[in-house]
Amino acid sequence: DAGVIQSPRHEVTEMGQEVTLRCKPISGHNSLFWYRQTMMRGLELLIYFNNNVPIDDSGMPEDRFSAKMPNASFSTLKIQPSEPRDSAVYFCASSLNQGSNQPQHFGDGTRLSIL
Amino acid sequence: AQSVTQLGSHVSVSEGALVLLRCNYSSSVPPYLFWYVQYPNQGLQLLLKYTTGATLVKGINGFEAEFKKSETSFHLTKPSAHMSDAAEYFCAANQAGTALIFGKGTTLSVSS
Repeated sequence: DAGVIQSPRHEVTEMGQEVTLRCKPISGHNSLFWYRQTMMRGLELLIYFNNNVPIDDSGMPEDRFSAKMPNASFSTLKIQPSEPRDSAVYFCASSLNQGSNQPQHFGDGTRLSIL
Repeated sequence: AQSVTQLGSHVSVSEGALVLLRCNYSSSVPPYLFWYVQYPNQGLQLLLKYTTGATLVKGINGFEAEFKKSETSFHLTKPSAHMSDAAEYFCAANQAGTALIFGKGTTLSVSS
């Protein structure tokens, strides 16, 4: 079975540029999560969706960050404009019925470097 | 609010020694509990989970964890460490209607 697929795996861009990270959840999963991981702050939940609807975006650091889930098989996390402090590894995860006994399944992450 | 505490950000053991990674949760209602492992440059992988029933849960790679309600703990153990166990380990908890809450992680180092 295909797992959670994230693209790109690595992204290097200059500050001020728009960055779009993509995620394809596991088929049949109805909950999707975006995380950010840094050495300083560890693993942080940015936003999560249930049935394509954003439920909690309190972890989104600023208005420069936005996330969408136009359908059950695709989500994007966009940063515009990007800043060096946004450099991190961004993970997408999906699960069946968030808040249940079903675990989250993680993608391999996108390593983002903003110069 | 529910929280997950992992005692010790870094644990070092010798190959063949017992591995013990500690996790405590704060909740009056026992949550669902999970342990994940993260190898360098990879995402998090599920090691094991506790939902209901047997309090001793066996996972992959010889790991197991015991749910102790009286101690609000879910410590992860492995009888004999292997070099390949070196990684970061995360404990996590959730309850119905909440998002998964992660601990800050424990880095396990294994020396030969």
